Amino acid sequence: EAGVTQFPSHSVIEKGQTVTLRCDPISGHDNLYWYRRVMGKEIKFLLHFVKESKQDESGMPNNRFLAERTGGTYSTLKVQPAELEDSGVYFCASSQTGLLYEQYFGPGTRLTVT
Amino acid sequence: KNEVEQSPQNLTAQEGEFITINCSYSVGISALHWLQQHPGGGIVSLFMLSSGKKKHGRLIATINIQEKHSSLHITASHPRDSAVYICAVHFGNEKLTFGTGTRLTIIP
Repeated sequence: EAGVTQFPSHSVIEKGQTVTLRCDPISGHDNLYWYRRVMGKEIKFLLHFVKESKQDESGMPNNRFLAERTGGTYSTLKVQPAELEDSGVYFCASSQTGLLYEQYFGPGTRLTVT
Repeated sequence: KNEVEQSPQNLTAQEGEFITINCSYSVGISALHWLQQHPGGGIVSLFMLSSGKKKHGRLIATINIQEKHSSLHITASHPRDSAVYICAVHFGNEKLTFGTGTRLTIIP
């Protein structure tokens, strides 16, 4: 069974540009989470999808970040326009309904904004 | 405030040494994870526990609910154990709150 996958593995963009990160959860996992680690800080929660609905988006830093999960399968996280402080590693995780605490993590996308 | 603290932040040890990494949290939790991240790599879940003790190979995780404390132990450490170890907890819901991580370096 394939694990959580993320694309791209690394993205380098200039300040002001737009970047879209993608996460494919484990097949059948209704719950999808986005987390990020910025330089020198702990990993922090961004948001949680249940199927295509946003269950909790309390961690989204500002309105430059837009997350979608159309159809309840893969999710995208768009940053527009990117700022220097957005640099970091963005992780995605998924879990099954009823097993919310068993989260499986993807490899992460390293975003560098120059 | 829901907080997670790990210690030490950095740990360097000789191959074969017994390693302990500690995690304390501020309020009651539903579950606690120990995660591992290798340089440039993704996150791997080592353990999830809500009570007692779990063992997998040379890794042991314990949790004391009353003291709000968990430890991760590595026996007979090896250079391939070098990684960042992260404690993360569920404060009563599904989103995780993470510690800052412990960077472990095992010297041959």
